[in-house]
Amino acid sequence: GAVVSQHPSRVICKSGTSVKIECRSLDFQATTMFWYRQFPKQSLMLMATSNEGSKATYEQGVEKDKFLINHASLTLSTLTVTSAHPEDSSFYICSASDPRQVQETQYFGPGTRLLVL
Amino acid sequence: GQQLNQSPQSMFIQEGEDVSMNCTSSSIFNTWLWYKQEPGEGPVLLIALYKAGELTSNGRLTAQFGITRKDSFLNISASIPSDVGIYFCAGRGSGGSNYKLTFGKGTLLTVNP
Repeated sequence: GAVVSQHPSRVICKSGTSVKIECRSLDFQATTMFWYRQFPKQSLMLMATSNEGSKATYEQGVEKDKFLINHASLTLSTLTVTSAHPEDSSFYICSASDPRQVQETQYFGPGTRLLVL
Repeated sequence: GQQLNQSPQSMFIQEGEDVSMNCTSSSIFNTWLWYKQEPGEGPVLLIALYKAGELTSNGRLTAQFGITRKDSFLNISASIPSDVGIYFCAGRGSGGSNYKLTFGKGTLLTVNP
């Protein structure tokens, strides 16, 4: 299967700071990447869909000015949590669609654990 | 929006037993996917289903795309301790391959050795 990486895997920050999370497709070019958030013992909730070279599409209730997404290349998308607060603490997971397959399938990164103090 | 009902919510079984879980939807999906997630990790794709009625196996795992396109099941045969984890179904509707997935709430599987 396709390989998707995330960096960092874990981050602890102070309230009010900004945190950037990177998502990379390592062995394929992904025109579309997705960002999810997962709270403990809950399912994945889609935050936004990121297309290379265009603005991200945010899900209802997700603040675009707080969760900045930049999809600068076909292998890299970044999510920046601006002015993070404790309630933003969560597990953030990205996924990427592999266009090499007949039916594109989403492959997930290993996730980033964010803890805001 | 589209809703997925996944059941059971959790299962506690003995090693060697077979497991079955399923998802139903209020609307039609064009693709069904089954993922497994272990603690602190991202979901890993187990099986992808693209045609109504399709039955696909991956080792001890078997999944089917319901003929109505509103449901799917996943079976695990002869469970082993490493099968422990949370299993998620996900459906994708029309709109192309980049269309977003809708996830079920997950089935937590515990296997007692």
